[in-house]
Amino acid sequence: NAGVTQTPKFQVLKTGQSMTLQCAQDMNHEYMSWYRQDPGMGLRLIHYSVGAGITDQGEVPNGYNVSRSTTEDFPLRLLSAAPSQTSVYFCASSYSAYTEAFFGQGTRLTVV
Amino acid sequence: KNEVEQSPQNLTAQEGEFITINCSYSVGISALHWLQQHPGGGIVSLFMLSSGKKKHGRLIATINIQEKHSSLHITASHPRDSAVYICAVRSRAAGNKLTFGGGTRVLVKP
Repeated sequence: NAGVTQTPKFQVLKTGQSMTLQCAQDMNHEYMSWYRQDPGMGLRLIHYSVGAGITDQGEVPNGYNVSRSTTEDFPLRLLSAAPSQTSVYFCASSYSAYTEAFFGQGTRLTVV
Repeated sequence: KNEVEQSPQNLTAQEGEFITINCSYSVGISALHWLQQHPGGGIVSLFMLSSGKKKHGRLIATINIQEKHSSLHITASHPRDSAVYICAVRSRAAGNKLTFGGGTRVLVKP
């Protein structure tokens, strides 16, 4: 099993560009989440999903879009990148709300 | 005030020393997670606790539900234990989403 796979690992964008951060898991997990990690702020929830076709907003959803068409994939879209979106992004999955969470290796995004 | 508070924020130890990291939370929880993040690296789950104590190798995690407090202990610390350790809780009041502490940066010197 590969676990949780995030791509790309690094990305530089210009202000206004759009892009999609990919997240895939092969553990048949229902719960998937996207977080951003900023210095001094800890991890903050952007969007999450409790199953295919179901998504909801987290703490900091503005500027991001998600969809969950399959159990395996949970892409995060940046609609129009801004320097404030410079961060490290982590995808996580778990079988349920009551089981261990597995994290991807992270995507370091810089918006210039 | 953050719902999940960790202490200390930073900790330096000599190799072989016993290390304790504390996590206090203010809400009723269904589970508490301890995570490890090496510099520039991904996040790895160490423990998930809802009561009592768990041990894995040199790592021990305990939780006191009544006092809303958990500790992560590292016995016989080693330089490879140098990492950021993050406490996170799930609470039904927050829709079972994870709420994270700010992390404890641990440096173990040889």
